[in-house]
Amino acid sequence: EPEVTQTPSHQVTQMGQEVILRCVPISNHLYFYWYRQILGQKVEFLVSFYNNEISEKSEIFDDQFSVERPDGSNFTLKIRSTKLEDSAMYFCASTRDLRAMEETQYFGPGTRLLVL
Amino acid sequence: SQQGEEDPQALSIQEGENATMNCSYKTSINNLQWYRQNSGRGLVHLILIRSNEREKHSGRLRVTLDTSKKSSSLLITASRAADTASYFCATDGRGGSEKLVFGKGTKLTVNP
Repeated sequence: EPEVTQTPSHQVTQMGQEVILRCVPISNHLYFYWYRQILGQKVEFLVSFYNNEISEKSEIFDDQFSVERPDGSNFTLKIRSTKLEDSAMYFCASTRDLRAMEETQYFGPGTRLLVL
Repeated sequence: SQQGEEDPQALSIQEGENATMNCSYKTSINNLQWYRQNSGRGLVHLILIRSNEREKHSGRLRVTLDTSKKSSSLLITASRAADTASYFCATDGRGGSEKLVFGKGTKLTVNP
């Protein structure tokens, strides 16, 4: 069964460094998302992406964050200058086609980011 | 803003018993999805129920939705130790919002 994959599974970085988290959504999906989960807290929406542009973003997704679909398969989240409070599990998700009522969001296994 | 809030926060049962988890939300939805998360791992999609549906089954899972009360329940029948995990409901929104809003989850422990 197709699944969303994410790399790396774990990332440790120093405060102020840039990190890029990578995701490969399910191949025929059209909508892509990033969420994060700070330890012990709720899963929070960051951003959604469709047709090569951001369609919705949360207050968390400030100028330090950016997303890109550099080719036909990868979907990346970049944090330009990491802060301690960016430490969290970051999940990528994808959806087949909202307009066709195929709204199930399939999540990847996550990248655990630790900012020191 | 809409929120999915599950209760109870934690549930401990014996293998073979049924587990019921509830979720409440605040605003209109198109659909509600239930996910499971093993400790420190990814989110596994369990079931999606649309706003015009009242009940849905998948294997040992039964989900109900009451839009008048803005609530949903997830029933796991004949639980197994492997069902031990956290269970989350997530709601989307009407008006074209694609984002899912998650609750804090119910931590289910099934004792062998």
